[in-house]
Amino acid sequence: EVQLVESGGGLVKPGGSLRLSCTASGFSFSLYSMNWVRQAPGKGLEWVSAIRTDSKYVYYADSVKGRFTISRDNANNSVYLQMDSLRAEDTAVYYCTRDRTAFRYWGQGSLVTVSS
Amino acid sequence: EIVMTQSPATLSVSLGERATLSCRASQSVNTNLAWYQHKPGQAPRLLIYGASTTVTGIPARFSASGSGTDFTLTISSLQSEDLAIYYCQQYNNWPPYTFGQGSKLEI
Repeated sequence: EVQLVESGGGLVKPGGSLRLSCTASGFSFSLYSMNWVRQAPGKGLEWVSAIRTDSKYVYYADSVKGRFTISRDNANNSVYLQMDSLRAEDTAVYYCTRDRTAFRYWGQGSLVTVSS
Repeated sequence: EIVMTQSPATLSVSLGERATLSCRASQSVNTNLAWYQHKPGQAPRLLIYGASTTVTGIPARFSASGSGTDFTLTISSLQSEDLAIYYCQQYNNWPPYTFGQGSKLEI
């Protein structure tokens, strides 16, 4: 069974940093692209970032470019999202998802709240 | 960036009725379109990919069609567990992947 489990969310002040982790199981992690998608309170889904299988290619939404960094550790079946210079508008539930086309598998999400 | 526009924003339906949701892309996405169901407190669930292919395990009452810029998701006989927000997403031209703003099904 495919499982994606996010961790690392919490409350952080504007300008602060947070690192999200997503641990995968039930599939050959190194063979799949991974993504982060978020949902702000009362808003829709927004794709945030993607990383290819060998980390050679990474992609970001304009809203987070230069502030967020995606990475992965294929040996430990994990993908990460380092979030720096956080803003109030980054407050959201962050989901880890698998695949390069339609997102077949999703984690349960990790809540990030940016507030003073 | 391809903009995805869904309609209606909210659809009020009765149980057992047919529900039809629409999604329009600002430029052609071919058939590289997915539909998701999202309930509060849960992870989004992929229903449809390739514009019309139903994911294994999704009830047969869900179907979808379309290509290019206009797409439709149909629920043939609405059940209470279908009340949710539905999103379309294009993966034809990325980054960025883009979602519609969502259509909420309510009674």
